[in-house]
Formats: sequence, C-alpha cells, structure tokens
Amino acid sequence: AQKITQTQPGMFVQEKEAVTLDCTYDTSDPSYGLFWYKQPSSGEMIFLIYQGSYDQQNATEGRYSLNFQKARKSANLVISASQLGDSAMYFCAMTYGGSQGNLIFGKGTKLSVKP
Amino acid sequence: GAVVSQHPSWVICKSGTSVKIECRSLDFQATTMFWYRQFPKQSLMLMATSNEGSKATYEQGVEKDKFLINHASLTLSTLTVTSAHPEDSSFYICSASRGASGDEQFFGPGTRLTVL
Repeated sequence: AQKITQTQPGMFVQEKEAVTLDCTYDTSDPSYGLFWYKQPSSGEMIFLIYQGSYDQQNATEGRYSLNFQKARKSANLVISASQLGDSAMYFCAMTYGGSQGNLIFGKGTKLSVKP
Repeated sequence: GAVVSQHPSWVICKSGTSVKIECRSLDFQATTMFWYRQFPKQSLMLMATSNEGSKATYEQGVEKDKFLINHASLTLSTLTVTSAHPEDSSFYICSASRGASGDEQFFGPGTRLTVL
C-alpha cells in the first residue's frame, strides 16, 4: 500500500537559517510524483515543489529544494534562508500509478520560524 | 493561471439541513475535480474524485448518499452535505486537474463548515 510518513509534528527554525522537513514514502509503483504543499493558518494549500520518480535531478524552486533519495524513499524539503512568513503547516504528498487522482498526504509538519 | 475558487469560504448551519459547496476552476477546464476533508490538526483525506459528466468515485468509508457530488461542467463541481450533523463540521477543500498531462492538482481555498 502507498504511504507518506512525516515524522516531525513540529519544527522550529531561526529566521534566515535553513531547515529540512523530512518525508519518506512507500509505494511499489515505479511511476510516482512527490509534492510539497504549504498550508498557512488561513487554510489554502499552496503548491511548493514537485519531483517525478524518473527525474534525475533534485527539484528546486527559489528557496525550496527537494532532496530526493530514491533508494531511501525519502523526499525531504529544504527551505533556505527561512522567513517569518514560512511559518505554516507543510504537507508531503504523493501521486502514484501515473494517475493524478491518487494523491495521498502525510500528516504534516508545523514549522515555526523564530525572529 | 490555474486558479480554483470555492464558495462559500465558511458556513454555519443547523443540524439536519443541507449545505452546498461550489468549486470552480476560473481560468482552465478541469477534467477532474477532487474533494478533500480536513479535520483540525489533521491531514487532508480524499473523499471523492469526480470527472465531468460522470458519477463521482468515492473513497472507502465516505457515504455517497450523504456527500453528493455533481461535476456538471468543466469548470464547476459541487459538494452537497445532506442532513448535516455536528460530526460533519470540518474544512472541505476541492482541487482541480486539467487531466490532460502532468500530475498537478490546483487547490481551492477551502470551505469551513460548522454544524450546530
């Protein structure tokens, strides 16, 4: 069965420092996609970054990068130069089987950025 | 581009009444729309997947007669919570996908339902 695991319920980081949010996944499908979303207190889900299972290079989007280690089945999110506005819930998610509908989410990590 | 709206953003209703939530893709045609439910401090759980013009596919444990989904056009899907009860109080989020290629779902801002 497919599964996303986020083991950090909460994380603190000092403003301007980098932080890594952990995510491991489990699937037997060779074709899958990995996502990270940010959910601020207002509730909307904000897409941050995407990594395909066949992508050779780690995805990067501005201050966000995804540390994709396929053999370890991990897809950690790295946020560089943290800002106060980065304080939010962060969800790792996965699609599998080549289908867009099979998007499953981890339990999330609450990131708090300290000034 | 790829903006999804939801209406209303929040609703309070009495137990036993029905509530309709709309999900619209504003600048693209959504072949597939998804409905999620999120309880406080929990993750999103997929409720159902709907394709335009066909019946929705519900996840295990989701009552299709209680959560009616209509995807009548390529830009609109509705979720009706029938005979709502306090345990239905939750944050409901829709997402939409173009369906042609790529794996990205575009999420709406969510609707907070409170049933008294």
